[in-house]
Amino acid sequence: ETGVTQSPTHLIKTRGQQVTLRCSSQSGHNTVSWYQQALGQGPQFIFQYYREEENGRGNFPPRFSGLQFPNYSSELNVNALELDDSALYLCASSLMGAGNTIYFGEGSWLTVV
Amino acid sequence: AQRVTQPEKLLSVFKGAPVELKCNYSYSGSPELFWYVQYSRQRLQLLLRHISRESIKGFTADLNKGETSFHLKKPFAQEEDSAMYYCALSGDTDKLIFGTGTRLQVFP
Repeated sequence: ETGVTQSPTHLIKTRGQQVTLRCSSQSGHNTVSWYQQALGQGPQFIFQYYREEENGRGNFPPRFSGLQFPNYSSELNVNALELDDSALYLCASSLMGAGNTIYFGEGSWLTVV
Repeated sequence: AQRVTQPEKLLSVFKGAPVELKCNYSYSGSPELFWYVQYSRQRLQLLLRHISRESIKGFTADLNKGETSFHLKKPFAQEEDSAMYYCALSGDTDKLIFGTGTRLQVFP
């Protein structure tokens, strides 16, 4: 069992609202990445944080933003929610470096209505 | 362009039959290749990675750089192998690029 925990597990928001998803990384890990997994698709990389700095970003608009805290936990914020934002949001943590395993949380299911 | 292609959405086999889940990739450089598995109601977890050259739960995958493929194979499928399988690659960071996944159904 990995130590990556995410909250909330499920939530429903209205179009135009804002949402914050949280991730507690595995002990000893300094890197957190966020992925969006739409129904029937593979996870898509949103961005990565390494030692509290953004360290790479996928093809997502600026209304997707994030934070990493000194304890390496992280938040994903999405503003001005759109219907297409409905998806499973996955957090992954790792210890930056070649050969290290990336561990995933169970995800947060977001439904935008 | 960096891309992972899994051409089959669904693969159905009977218990004891051989299984091959296909994965092709496009990447300029030397990526690391992975197979991740997601069992029903469980989180995504690493099954194997090409650099370790391990056999996990009877599954193996060989990186073929000439064909840019990393197919997952198992000689005798078990019912408990039924799951979603995702092929993924990583470049020089811990960022993963995933394929769309293949659902493996193993019938008794």
